[in-house]
Amino acid sequence: AQSVTQPDIHITVSEGASLELRCNYSYGATPYLFWYVQSPGQGLQLLLKYFSGDTLVQGIKGFEAEFKRSQSSFNLRKPSVHWSDAAEYFCAVGQAAGNKLTFGGGTRVLVKP
Amino acid sequence: DAGITQSPRHKVTETGTPVTLRCHQTENHRYMYWYRQDPGHGLRLIHYSYGVKDTDKGEVSDGYSVSRSKTEDFLLTLESATSSQTSVYFCAISESVEKLFFGSGTQLSVL
Repeated sequence: AQSVTQPDIHITVSEGASLELRCNYSYGATPYLFWYVQSPGQGLQLLLKYFSGDTLVQGIKGFEAEFKRSQSSFNLRKPSVHWSDAAEYFCAVGQAAGNKLTFGGGTRVLVKP
Repeated sequence: DAGITQSPRHKVTETGTPVTLRCHQTENHRYMYWYRQDPGHGLRLIHYSYGVKDTDKGEVSDGYSVSRSKTEDFLLTLESATSSQTSVYFCAISESVEKLFFGSGTQLSVL
């Protein structure tokens, strides 16, 4: 069965500093990998996705993620965070059969002024 | 934004009562899903549908049932609500694993 682990439950970062969120997955085949963001009281918005090809993928809002097969990781990064990046971030792995996603537990990001 | 409407947006109910949540889409997508979101667990799949009258269980399906009689509507029923079913429920739709769109969620409190 597929699974996703986000080791950091909370991260606090200063505005303008860099941000990296960790994601490790377990999946038997080549995974479809996703990062979603959820602002307070809102639904989930897709930040970026990886299916194949270049292992460094660019997303919206200045985010990027790197797929490392040898480490079963798909970490999310942003060079300089803005106060509006305060939210909860979810990593997910998908399977083509049934189009189902399995989510990690989420990482809540707080941004200090 | 994808046309997904969840109703109600908020509901408070008592233990033992049946509850039905509705997800309505205007995108004509084949797949529809119900997830629940709880702190520390992320989103967990309850049930999903791959067509009219075609549904299957997810990882946390006990105590829930679903129905899909029309492409646009996917109903989630809590047969006898319990306090452990207090959660935020999200509906999602897709045509492929590459594009999954979420509704705004339903906050359910079971007292």
